[in-house]
Amino acid sequence: GNSVTQMEGPVTLSEEAFLTINCTYTATGYPSLFWYVQYPGEGLQLLLKATKADDKGSNKGFEATYRKETTSFHLEKGSVQVSDSAVYFCALTSMNYGGSQGNLIFGKGTKLSVKP
Amino acid sequence: NAGVTQTPKFQVLKTGQSMTLQCAQDMNHEYMSWYRQDPGMGLRLIHYSVGAGITDQGEVPNGYNVSRSTTEDFPLRLLSAAPSQTSVYFCASKAGDPADTQYFGPGTRLTVL
Repeated sequence: GNSVTQMEGPVTLSEEAFLTINCTYTATGYPSLFWYVQYPGEGLQLLLKATKADDKGSNKGFEATYRKETTSFHLEKGSVQVSDSAVYFCALTSMNYGGSQGNLIFGKGTKLSVKP
Repeated sequence: NAGVTQTPKFQVLKTGQSMTLQCAQDMNHEYMSWYRQDPGMGLRLIHYSVGAGITDQGEVPNGYNVSRSTTEDFPLRLLSAAPSQTSVYFCASKAGDPADTQYFGPGTRLTVL
């Protein structure tokens, strides 16, 4: 079945460090891929997405490229800030999952802490 | 434009009690869903709806009921609460395309004693 695997945290970085959070997926068909972010005490919000192979999603300095050959969608940022401290979720939707209008399947989340 | 709203924000129940978690959206989205978030488990889909009058089960539906009488509202009912239902519950909505952004509410933190 469809699934998402992302690197386990927590990840602790110093301000201005380079960030990579790995995400790989298993899916039938042609999934859309997402990164959601959850700040402390809040709900999830979309960070970026990509809907087809080789697409690059980007937002707030974060980037991720949809790699069909490696079934990956790794999240990167060149210089993290304290305000980036949050939990990051990789997710996918696929019309083949339950025949629904694209239920999201989530990874388990990666907690990022950025120290000044 | 309030987006997705959820009430209550916090709730404590005793085992066996029932309650309804409320969810509403003002974006005229056809698709709505409920997730639960547990430590180390990510978010798991409980129930979803693709339009008024249409609901279906997700990954973890047992112990929960839903109905969708209007486009705006999608309440989640716990008929007889159990400690295993202690969790944070999120409601979400989106338009019809699978690639559309899903918008989440702020969550309800439920504790069952």
